[in-house]
Formats: sequence, structure tokens, C-alpha cells
Amino acid sequence: AQKVTQAQTEISVVEKEDVTLDCVYETRDTTYYLFWYKQPPSGELVFLIRRNSFDEQNEISGRYSWNFQKSTSSFNFTITASQVVDSAVYFCALSEPFTMQAGTALIFGKGTTLSVSS
Amino acid sequence: DTAVSQTPKYLVTQMGNDKSIKCEQNLGHDTMYWYKQDSKKFLKIMFSYNNKELIINETVPNRFSPKSPDKAHLNLHINSLELGDSAVYFCASSPPRPTYEQYFGPGTRLTVT
Repeated sequence: AQKVTQAQTEISVVEKEDVTLDCVYETRDTTYYLFWYKQPPSGELVFLIRRNSFDEQNEISGRYSWNFQKSTSSFNFTITASQVVDSAVYFCALSEPFTMQAGTALIFGKGTTLSVSS
Repeated sequence: DTAVSQTPKYLVTQMGNDKSIKCEQNLGHDTMYWYKQDSKKFLKIMFSYNNKELIINETVPNRFSPKSPDKAHLNLHINSLELGDSAVYFCASSPPRPTYEQYFGPGTRLTVT
């Protein structure tokens, strides 16, 4: 069955530290998509990145970088030089395999709460 | 300018009441969703619609009834509210292919007393 595991429930760091949020997924399909979302204290869900199963290139966007490794079924997210504004709950998600039709749901991990202190 | 909007943002009501949450998107997307986020922040799909057609209907009590009057709107009606319905409900939209990210509304915090 499809599943997303974020083993780290809470992480606390001090500003300027680097932090990596882990995401491990399970799927039987060869074609799937992975996502990261951020939920700041204000509550909205903000899309960060999408990655398809055929593209294992790492991606960097400013202080954010993502490491996708199919061999370990992981899609980890690193924040470099963390800032207080990075404090949020971060969700990893998987697009449901088998039926890549319209309306396919996202399967979310339980989220990792990141607290960055000054 | 808001891409996906929900009303109301907060909803406090008593057990047994019937309430509705409205969702509208101005992104021109064909597909819309309702997700429920529980008190532990876990997000789970409830329904999805594509071009007003129901695609996903997870094991949600039939007290919950989605309605899509057109592609830009997906409303959620809840009958006979129970304490366990207290949660944050998120509406989302996306282009029809599941390769695309879903854009979420600001959420509606429902509190049933």
C-alpha cells in the first residue's frame, strides 16, 4: 500500500544551523510523484516542490534543497542556514499510484514540526 | 487575487447542527478536493471532483456531502455534526493530471461543541 513516513516528529534548531527533514515512501508503482508542503503557524499549506519518479536529480532553490533517492525510497529536504521564519510543519506527500487519473489524492506523511530559535 | 478561497475561516457550532463550507478557485482548474486535518495535523483526503464529477469518496460518514455546482466551486455540507467532526478542512484544486501540485485554500477550522 502507498505510505509516506516522516519519522521525525519534531526538530529544534538554532538559527543558521542546517537541518534535514526525512521522508520515506512506499509505493508499488514505477510512476509516481512526490511533494513537499510547508504549513506555517498561520495554518495555510504552501507548495514547495514536486518531483517525479524518473528524475533523481537533486534540486536546490535558495536555502532549500531536496535529495531524491529511489534506491532507498527517500525524498529528503534540507534547509541551509535556517531562519526563524522557517518554523513550520513540513509535510511530504505522494501522489497515489495505479490510477493516475484526474482527482488523484495526495497521501501525506504525518509531518515534521520544525522550530527554529534565534 | 486569492487562488483558492474558503468561507468561513472559523466555524463554531453545536452538536446536531447542519453546516456548510464553501470553496472557490479562480485558477481555471478542473479538479477540486476536500481534505481533513485532525488535531494531530494528519491530512487525509475526503473527496475529489473532476469537472463536477465525483472521483474519490473516501470512507467518510454519509453525513458529509460534497456538492460541485460548477468547476470553480466545491462545497461541503455536513449534517448532524458530531464532536469528532472538529478539525480543519482544506479545499484544494489542481489541473486534472495528478502530476501537478495541488493548491490549497486557507482552511476552515470547525469546532463542534
